[in-house]
Amino acid sequence: EAGVAQSPRYKIIEKRQSVAFWCNPISGHATLYWYQQILGQGPKLLIQFQNNGVVDDSQLPKDRFSAERLKGVDSTLKIQPAKLEDSAVYLCASRSIAGGGKTQYFGPGTRLLVL
Amino acid sequence: AQTVTQSQPEMSVQEAETVTLSCTYDTSESDYYLFWYKQPPSRQMILVIRQEAYKQQNATENRFSVNFQKAAKSFSLKISDSQLGDAAMYFCAYRTPGGQNFVFGPGTRLSVLP
Repeated sequence: EAGVAQSPRYKIIEKRQSVAFWCNPISGHATLYWYQQILGQGPKLLIQFQNNGVVDDSQLPKDRFSAERLKGVDSTLKIQPAKLEDSAVYLCASRSIAGGGKTQYFGPGTRLLVL
Repeated sequence: AQTVTQSQPEMSVQEAETVTLSCTYDTSESDYYLFWYKQPPSRQMILVIRQEAYKQQNATENRFSVNFQKAAKSFSLKISDSQLGDAAMYFCAYRTPGGQNFVFGPGTRLSVLP
C-alpha cells in the first residue's frame, strides 16, 4: 500500500510571499491532518478533515493559513503571506475510519524556510 | 485541554541495553488512545506502538513495550536490546477515539552508543 505523499519536500521563500503544499493521503483514508512542526518541538495540529469537511481548525492561523480538500482525497495547505516564524516542517497524515481505524500514518513532510 | 509531557529532552543508551522513555499526560476523558511515534533524522514519523486506555494489558511490539499506568496518567516506552537504528526523536501522543484532539509531546531525542 502506498504511503502518504507530500510535495514539495523543500521550499525556500522570502517573507510576505505565498506558498502551497500538497498532500495525497493513503487511498481510502477519510481523515486527513495537517501539522506544523517547528524545529525541536512536537507536531502541532493545524487542521483535520474528514472527507471534504473540516473537523477541527481551531489552531489554524486563519488570517494567513488556509487549507482545502475539495474532493475528499488530496489536500492543499496555503500560507499567504508567509512570516519568518512559519519556518517549520509541515506534516500531512491520514487515517482510515473503517473498522475504528486507530492509527494515523505520516508523510515525509515539507520543510519550509522563510527568509 | 489535553496535554502531553515528556520530561527527558535527551536520553542515551548503549547498544544492546534497555532504555525507558517517560511520558505523562493530562485528560479528563476515560477513553482514549496513546501512541509512541519515532522520527528518525529523515523526519518520516513512524508509529512504534499504540495503547487503548480501556485495555489493562500493556502493549508490546517486538523489542518495544509500554508501561501504562492509567491512574497515574503515565505511559512509558521501554526499548529492549537497543539497536543503532533506534536512534531518533520519540514522541508520545494522545488522542480521543473520535480522532480529534491529537496532541503530541515535545519529544525525547534518543542516542544509541556503539
